[in-house]
Amino acid sequence: SQQGEEDPQALSIQEGENATMNCSYKTSINNLQWYRQNSGRGLVHLILIRSNEREKHSGRLRVTLDTSKKSSSLLITASRAADTASYFCATDASGGGSNYKLTFGKGTLLTVNP
Amino acid sequence: ETGVTQSPTHLIKTRGQQVTLRCSSQSGHNTVSWYQQALGQGPQFIFQYYREEENGRGNFPPRFSGLQFPNYSSELNVNALELDDSALYLCASSDRTHYQETQYFGPGTRLLVL
Repeated sequence: SQQGEEDPQALSIQEGENATMNCSYKTSINNLQWYRQNSGRGLVHLILIRSNEREKHSGRLRVTLDTSKKSSSLLITASRAADTASYFCATDASGGGSNYKLTFGKGTLLTVNP
Repeated sequence: ETGVTQSPTHLIKTRGQQVTLRCSSQSGHNTVSWYQQALGQGPQFIFQYYREEENGRGNFPPRFSGLQFPNYSSELNVNALELDDSALYLCASSDRTHYQETQYFGPGTRLLVL
């Protein structure tokens, strides 16, 4: 079963604009991670935010986490055509970090038009 | 430091056949997880191996089985293939000993069952 649900399912923007994707989940988590996937290939890890963190930055990426609402957002600033990909949130709800099973949402397909 | 590799990249099988997919973990990683990603969906957790033992399993039938070897590489075996097994199979490695939560994914094996 999929715990995370990304919103929107698809997003099309112009180069230079900001892109915001949202993720909601159902159970308590240890951490939440965002991954990028190009053309149905392997996933590239973008950023991890722990349950006791509220905001994290990495380059042009900004992630927020609201555990009370069980939601997260990924902001990509100054988007580039190379950012075109599917973006997934994944939650780790394993107790005590026993096996780090990740539960993924269905993803947001981001298209950045040049 | 080498990344996660998977073989083969593509595979075509017929219903009822058996398939073995292979994964080499990233250098220094002792944990391998396998995921199935159907078209248009997020990855779903199949199982995880740590120190050559299964360490957690998702909602997949017993005909999905695996192995982990002393060098931490891993195999995913699927018996009695069904059409719905057509998917991208991803493996991911991590370092459980040092509580590394980030999972690093390989490029995947695309399996088509006819």
